[in-house]
Amino acid sequence: AQSVSQHNHHVILSEAASLELGCNYSYGGTVNLFWYVQYPGQHLQLLLKYFSGDPLVKGIKGFEAEFIKSKFSFNLRKPSVQWSDTAEYFCAVLPLGGYNKLIFGAGTRLAVHP
Amino acid sequence: ETGVTQSPTHLIKTRGQQVTLRCSSQSGHNTVSWYQQALGQGPQFIFQYYREEENGRGNFPPRFSGLQFPNYSSELNVNALELDDSALYLCASTSNRGPEAFFGQGTRLTVV
Repeated sequence: AQSVSQHNHHVILSEAASLELGCNYSYGGTVNLFWYVQYPGQHLQLLLKYFSGDPLVKGIKGFEAEFIKSKFSFNLRKPSVQWSDTAEYFCAVLPLGGYNKLIFGAGTRLAVHP
Repeated sequence: ETGVTQSPTHLIKTRGQQVTLRCSSQSGHNTVSWYQQALGQGPQFIFQYYREEENGRGNFPPRFSGLQFPNYSSELNVNALELDDSALYLCASTSNRGPEAFFGQGTRLTVV
């Protein structure tokens, strides 16, 4: 069965610390990959996406993610977090060839302390 | 703002009742998908509508049904509500230009 695994359910960091959130998926075919963010009280927002080409993609607010095909991974990184990055982060996979069914991980709740 | 609007924002229903949730897709988006997000979990795909027809469904029973209208707006109907149906219901719209899904703020359904 297709699934997405996010390694950390809760992460607590101090401002200026570096962030890496793990995401692995199980699907043997071609995929599109996404990271969504949900700030407190707000809707899910697209942070970044990977369709093809350069496996290192950059998104909004200084976030980036690297697709490693051999590891079925799409980890999210940010060199220096800010208090405003406090949110829940969801990795999502879209298997190609069918309808637009996004498969989400369980999410990682990030708390950044000033 | 994504342009995807959902109503109502909150709803409390009694077990066994029926509920209808509504979604207006972003301008120019002709595909609408519905997701259920239980507490502490990621969104789970319920189904998708394109050209007023369901063209994909997740692992949800038939008492979850939907509609899409000519203006691409959509409804999610849930019959015979169960306590486990308590969740945040998200609507997402996509266009022919790309697979990025844009989400509404969700409807928080509580079944008591």
